[in-house]
Amino acid sequence: EVQLVESGGGLVQPGGSLRLSCAASGFTFSSYAMSWVRQAPGKGLAWVSAISDSGGGTYYADSVKGRFTISRDNSKNTLFLQMNSLRAEDTAVYYCAKDSWDSSGYFNYWGQGTLVTVSS
Amino acid sequence: EIVMTQSPATLSVSPGERATLSCRASQSVSSNLAWYQQKPGQAPRLLIYGASTRATDVPARFSGSGSGTEFTLTISSLQSEDFAVYYCQKYNNWPRGTFGQGTKLEIK
Repeated sequence: EVQLVESGGGLVQPGGSLRLSCAASGFTFSSYAMSWVRQAPGKGLAWVSAISDSGGGTYYADSVKGRFTISRDNSKNTLFLQMNSLRAEDTAVYYCAKDSWDSSGYFNYWGQGTLVTVSS
Repeated sequence: EIVMTQSPATLSVSPGERATLSCRASQSVSSNLAWYQQKPGQAPRLLIYGASTRATDVPARFSGSGSGTEFTLTISSLQSEDFAVYYCQKYNNWPRGTFGQGTKLEIK
């Protein structure tokens, strides 16, 4: 059974940093691109960042470019999102999501999400 | 940048009736279109990919159609568990998948 379990969310002050993790199991993690998708309270879904299966390619939405860094540890089946210079508008539930097949662009499995709140 | 627009924002339908949800792309995305269902407090669930292919374990009452810029998700006979928010997503330019703003399907 495929499982994606996010952790690391919480309350942080504007300008602060947070590191999210996503522990994957039930599939060959190193064979799939992975993404982070966020959802602000009461709002829709927004793609944030993606990483290729090997980790050699990383991609970001314009809204987070230069502030967020996606990475992965294929030996530990874990996806990360380092978030720096956080702003109030980054407040959201952050989901990690697995590409349906490598680099397909649509997601057949999602984690349960972790809430990030940026507030003073 | 391609913009995805869903309509209507809210759709009120009675159980047992048919629901038709629309998604429009500002430029052609060919058949690179997915639909997701999201219930309150839950993660999204993949329903349709390739504009018309049902994902694993998705009931046959869900169907997708369209190509290019106009897409439709049809639920043929609404069950109580189908009332949720539905999102379309284009994925023709990996990995920058853009979502529509969602359609809330509510009980009439």
